[in-house]
Amino acid sequence: NAGVMQNPRHLVRRRGQEARLRCSPMKGHSHVYWYRQLPEEGLKFMVYLQKENIIDESGMPKERFSAEFPKEGPSILRIQQVVRGDSAAYFCASSLRGAGRGANVLTFGAGSRLTVL
Amino acid sequence: EDQVTQSPEALRLQEGESSSLNCSYTVSGLRGLFWYRQDPGKGPEFLFTLYSAGEEKEKERLKATLTKKESFLHITAPKPEDSATYLCAVQAEAGANSKLTFGKGITLSVRP
Repeated sequence: NAGVMQNPRHLVRRRGQEARLRCSPMKGHSHVYWYRQLPEEGLKFMVYLQKENIIDESGMPKERFSAEFPKEGPSILRIQQVVRGDSAAYFCASSLRGAGRGANVLTFGAGSRLTVL
Repeated sequence: EDQVTQSPEALRLQEGESSSLNCSYTVSGLRGLFWYRQDPGKGPEFLFTLYSAGEEKEKERLKATLTKKESFLHITAPKPEDSATYLCAVQAEAGANSKLTFGKGITLSVRP
């Protein structure tokens, strides 16, 4: 079991370019969460997806950010026209369940570190 | 809105010097309180889940406890390899998903 796989681990973009971050959940997990971690800040929830559906995007900036989790392939977090303030570590997590009774453990990937020049 | 506050922000201990990390929380119905460990350049690693007040869990030198407003992570006789950032998070009953709300973390340094 390879765990949650994220790539690329490091990405450098110039202002105005696009960044695409990929996440493959743990085997058997169909629930994916994206978090952003800024320097000196905690992990902030961005979006929760199941296969082909966005369930909760309450933490996503309204512009330039989008996420998808297609029927086949990894989940993708896309940032268009990046700005310096987008520089951060982006973490993906997956879980076996979404809603329901009982606490549900999220397993995190190693993160993708985006640097915008 | 769910909130998590961790204190202190940073803690420096001598090897063998026991201490506790604090996590205060407000949540609209607690489904679970989580402790994670994060090493520099890595993702959070799951440590414990606590479900209800009075519950305790232990793993090696770590023990987590929970009240209705706080959780403590007690570290007994720490070693340098315990140096890391410890994250506390809550999962609410309400809502259609299992998202976690995190505190900012406590950076622990253990000197040999």
